[in-house]
Amino acid sequence: GENVEQHPSTLSVQEGDSAVIKCTYSDSASNYFPWYKQELGKRPQLIIDIRSNVGEKKDQRIAVTLNKTAKHFSLHITETQPEDSAVYFCAAGPEGDSSYKLIFGSGTRLLVRP
Amino acid sequence: DSGVTQTPKHLITATGQRVTLRCSPRSGDLSVYWYQQSLDQGLQFLIQYYNGEERAKGNILERFSAQQFPDLHSELNLSSLELGDSALYFCASSGSPAGGELFFGEGSRLTVL
Repeated sequence: GENVEQHPSTLSVQEGDSAVIKCTYSDSASNYFPWYKQELGKRPQLIIDIRSNVGEKKDQRIAVTLNKTAKHFSLHITETQPEDSAVYFCAAGPEGDSSYKLIFGSGTRLLVRP
Repeated sequence: DSGVTQTPKHLITATGQRVTLRCSPRSGDLSVYWYQQSLDQGLQFLIQYYNGEERAKGNILERFSAQQFPDLHSELNLSSLELGDSALYFCASSGSPAGGELFFGEGSRLTVL
């Protein structure tokens, strides 16, 4: 079945450094790749997404890259700040059908050390 | 506030029991999704409903069932509960049946003793 693998499971960086989280997916029909941030005790919230017709997307300090051939996509956070500390989930799913099964990775716990 | 409401926020029950979790989607959203998040785990897709109709199914156990009512709220029924069913159950909604951002509720934390 569909699967999304996410690495690393935990990541600790110094404030101001960059953080990179990587995901791979198995379903070739996937064409939508969102990233969600879940702060402790809170609900997941979308921070950025990318669709298969583009290879890279940026929004201030965060960027996502997609390699559809290799079925890889990544989240890049630059100039990290303590408030970036959270669990980040990648996800993959096929848009455009009559149903929507968005499959999430297992999450990366990011700790930004002041 | 995402606009998605889930009740109850917390629920403690015993093995073998049955519980019902309730979700009200954002105003105007016709699609509802249920996800299970066990301790330190990712979000496991359970099921999707769109305008009362089941649209997609994940690895939902036979002991679990869901439905979406004409007023668009949804309920997830969990029966013959086991210790391993203890988890945070999230409901999410979206405007489209087939893509885009999911808006999550705050979750219902189920503890089975």
